[in-house]
Amino acid sequence: DVKVTQSSRYLVKRTGEKVFLECVQDMDHENMFWYRQDPGLGLRLIYFSYDVKMKEKGDIPEGYSVSREKKERFSLILESASTNQTSMYLCASSTHRIGEEGYTFGSGTRLTVV
Amino acid sequence: AQSVTQLGSHVSVSEGALVLLRCNYSSSVPPYLFWYVQYPNQGLQLLLKYTSAATLVKGINGFEAEFKKSETSFHLTKPSAHMSDAAEYFCAVSRLGAGNNRKLIWGLGTSLAVNP
Repeated sequence: DVKVTQSSRYLVKRTGEKVFLECVQDMDHENMFWYRQDPGLGLRLIYFSYDVKMKEKGDIPEGYSVSREKKERFSLILESASTNQTSMYLCASSTHRIGEEGYTFGSGTRLTVV
Repeated sequence: AQSVTQLGSHVSVSEGALVLLRCNYSSSVPPYLFWYVQYPNQGLQLLLKYTSAATLVKGINGFEAEFKKSETSFHLTKPSAHMSDAAEYFCAVSRLGAGNNRKLIWGLGTSLAVNP
C-alpha cells in the first residue's frame, strides 16, 4: 500500500514562528498536494507539485510556500505563522493517472498557532 | 468548469437504517468520480470510484454509489448503517489541468451521525 507520512499529528507554534510541515510518500508518485481543512469550508488546495522542483499555487497560497527537492518529499512552509493558520493540514499524493486512481492522503497535521 | 455539490452538510440516521449521501457534479466531459471517508482526526480514505466502467460501483465497508449521467449524480448509499460509519464523507470529481494532469475538485463534505 502507498503510504503518505506526515511528520507530526499535532503541532503547537507561536505567532510569527516559521513552521515546516513535512510529507513523505513511498510509492514514487509524481504528484503531491497540500490542503488545509476547516469546518464548513471543506478542503482547500494550498500548493501542489507535479514533479521535483516544480510547484504551482492552489486556491489559497498566501502566507505559505513549498519545497520539493526530492520526489518523495513535499514540505509546506508557513513563513510567519498567524492565528488564522490554525487548521488541519492534509498532504496527498498521486500518480499522473489521478482520474483513474485518485489521491492517497496522509493522516493530517493539526496545527495550532497561539 | 467542473464542480461538486453535496446536498446536506449534516445527515443523521439510526443504526440499521439506510444511508443516503447526495452528490451532484457538473462536468463538460465524462468525469471520474470519487467518494472518500474521513474518520475523526484522520486523513481521507478512498471509499470507491467511478471510472467509466460499471455505473454501479461497490466500495469498502458495504458502501456503493450509482453514476447517473442524466441526473449528473453520484449518490452514496449503504443499506444498513453501523455506528462505525459515523464520519465525514467527501465527493470529488477529477478535472483536467495543465499538461494533461488532473486535480480533484471537492465537495464541502457531509457529516454522517449514526444514532443508536
